[in-house]
Amino acid sequence: AQSVTQLDSQVPVFEEAPVELRCNYSSSVSVYLFWYVQYPNQGLQLLLKYLSGSTLVKGINGFEAEFNKSQTSFHLRKPSVHISDTAEYFCAVSSPSGGYQKVTFGTGTKLQVIP
Amino acid sequence: EPEVTQTPSHQVTQMGQEVILRCVPISNHLYFYWYRQILGQKVEFLVSFYNNEISEKSEIFDDQFSVERPDGSNFTLKIRSTKLEDSAMYFCASTGLASTDTQYFGPGTRLTVL
Repeated sequence: AQSVTQLDSQVPVFEEAPVELRCNYSSSVSVYLFWYVQYPNQGLQLLLKYLSGSTLVKGINGFEAEFNKSQTSFHLRKPSVHISDTAEYFCAVSSPSGGYQKVTFGTGTKLQVIP
Repeated sequence: EPEVTQTPSHQVTQMGQEVILRCVPISNHLYFYWYRQILGQKVEFLVSFYNNEISEKSEIFDDQFSVERPDGSNFTLKIRSTKLEDSAMYFCASTGLASTDTQYFGPGTRLTVL
């Protein structure tokens, strides 16, 4: 079984300030890790994913995340946020078996960028 | 960029009625999924489908739910007798054969049960 914990339900941050959204996971097998963004009344958009290799993963919109196996974390960061980054961010994990990828989501973190 | 499409975008129904939510996965994908997101809550796995049969389902996916791939392009989720608590956003997703393939999500169907 696998699970994802996002401890921060809401994160307010001023425009142009840096932000880190925290994510910890639990799994008994090797995992793939993802961050999705959901804008109000919209679907899920993949920001970035970690499959293997370099632990620092760069995604769209200037976001990046670092996989830390020893701390079972996959925190999302952006050095300077913009108003348009206001959205809900979901960390997710899957333990793929061939092409099969059942994704388990965290509870989400609402990022509110303050002008 | 390939995309998963879903119709309708919003469905309103009366309690007890049957609804069918439709999805068109990416054309060469073989694994299909439905997820649900109740307002204000996290996205939850409902069911996965491969080779014309359910490969895994969650405890949410009870006898009121069914899935079908009626032709080579559509993937449907049927709720036989809707309940108020079925009101949610329903997302369809699909993946290819490789474990490194990205799972693509559709834009969702918002189901409102009155």
